[in-house]
Amino acid sequence: DSGVTQTPKHLITATGQRVTLRCSPRSGDLSVYWYQQSLDQGLQFLIQYYNGEERAKGNILERFSAQQFPDLHSELNLSSLELGDSALYFCASTDGGPGELFFGEGSRLTVL
Amino acid sequence: AQKVTQAQTEISVVEKEDVTLDCVYETRDTTYYLFWYKQPPSGELVFLIRRNSFDEQNEISGRYSWNFQKSTSSFNFTITASQVVDSAVYFCALTEGRDDKIIFGKGTRLHILP
Repeated sequence: DSGVTQTPKHLITATGQRVTLRCSPRSGDLSVYWYQQSLDQGLQFLIQYYNGEERAKGNILERFSAQQFPDLHSELNLSSLELGDSALYFCASTDGGPGELFFGEGSRLTVL
Repeated sequence: AQKVTQAQTEISVVEKEDVTLDCVYETRDTTYYLFWYKQPPSGELVFLIRRNSFDEQNEISGRYSWNFQKSTSSFNFTITASQVVDSAVYFCALTEGRDDKIIFGKGTRLHILP
């Protein structure tokens, strides 16, 4: 058990809809990363937050947004969903800096 | 821009054979970190090792060993005497010193056949 909690574990929705994925980092970790894993693209870095502030941004679509709250949990919002957004979304946390990432079990999103 | 290439998409070996997973990276920085992660069939990602750009010493941990060569921008991973439990997808990753963005390669799927 990595100590990182992601909800929901599975989500099935329709095109055009909006979903929110939630991540609770390990106790004491200030940094949260979001990754998208699809079969053809591997693990794509989306965005990173550190203590509530955006630290680094990857190839995150404009339809996607994220935030980290004062209690350090993070949410990834995906809107106007398309079939191609179907993927496994991972959250990971670390205590800061380029250290070991602790990954959650992922949220599997299926867009029909 | 940072880039991590794992040219081997899929490898199959028979149990007890040694296997090496290749990782080649690109970065403009002199300070960077390299990682290997394992993703077993259960799906979770597990950290294996971190190496910084100033430490070219090879590392051995049990049956696992890593060979870091800056001259060829490679950070290869060798499993000695492979076991079925080693079957997984292995990811190499890179972060540059100036930010904490960690970029992953596309992974190598390793099958260890009994």
